[in-house]
Amino acid sequence: AQTVTQSQPEMSVQEAETVTLSCTYDTSESDYYLFWYKQPPSRQMILVIRQEAYKQQNATENRFSVNFQKAAKSFSLKISDSQLGDAAMYFCAYRSRNTGTASKLTFGTGTRLQVTL
Amino acid sequence: DTGVSQDPRHKITKRGQNVTFRCDPISEHNRLYWYRQTLGQGPEFLTYFQNEAQLEKSRLLSDRFSAERPKGSFSTLEIQRTEQGDSAMYLCASSLEFGGFSDTQYFGPGTRLTVL
Repeated sequence: AQTVTQSQPEMSVQEAETVTLSCTYDTSESDYYLFWYKQPPSRQMILVIRQEAYKQQNATENRFSVNFQKAAKSFSLKISDSQLGDAAMYFCAYRSRNTGTASKLTFGTGTRLQVTL
Repeated sequence: DTGVSQDPRHKITKRGQNVTFRCDPISEHNRLYWYRQTLGQGPEFLTYFQNEAQLEKSRLLSDRFSAERPKGSFSTLEIQRTEQGDSAMYLCASSLEFGGFSDTQYFGPGTRLTVL
């Protein structure tokens, strides 16, 4: 079974600064997806960024980028130029690329990001 | 595209009562997922449907839980004889899958269940 570990329960960053959230995972599969989801307080979960394991290039979405280290099974999220609206719980998630029975997302326990002025 | 919707948003019930939640996925999405999220934790997979077929169920889904997706559109999740341990946020997500293409799962706002 796959597991996802987020070792930082809480992080804090000043507005306009850069922060990196850590995520490690364990799997025996070679083909999979990794995701970062954002869950603002009392609001629904939204996708931040997605990475296909077969792609060597790290995914980027505007101020959000990842550092995907497949051999190390590490998938960190970097938020540049942090904004107050970035404050939320961030979840790292894994999904097998096997479109059969392994469609589910496996989530980490989350990192609460606080953005200060 | 109105996104994934869930109803109700909040439900308070007494232990032993039955509850039913509804999820309406994004219209063209053929896969629908149910997750449960307890306080301070990440969502945990419960079950998912491909069209109307329920393809996988987690061991978390006890006999008191049943899910349906008639006609491959909306889905319902019913919990019978609720227990205090069922208190959680129940999240629905949907995605489009065909051939080798696998889309992202998009989440609804969730239904927060409180069992007294």
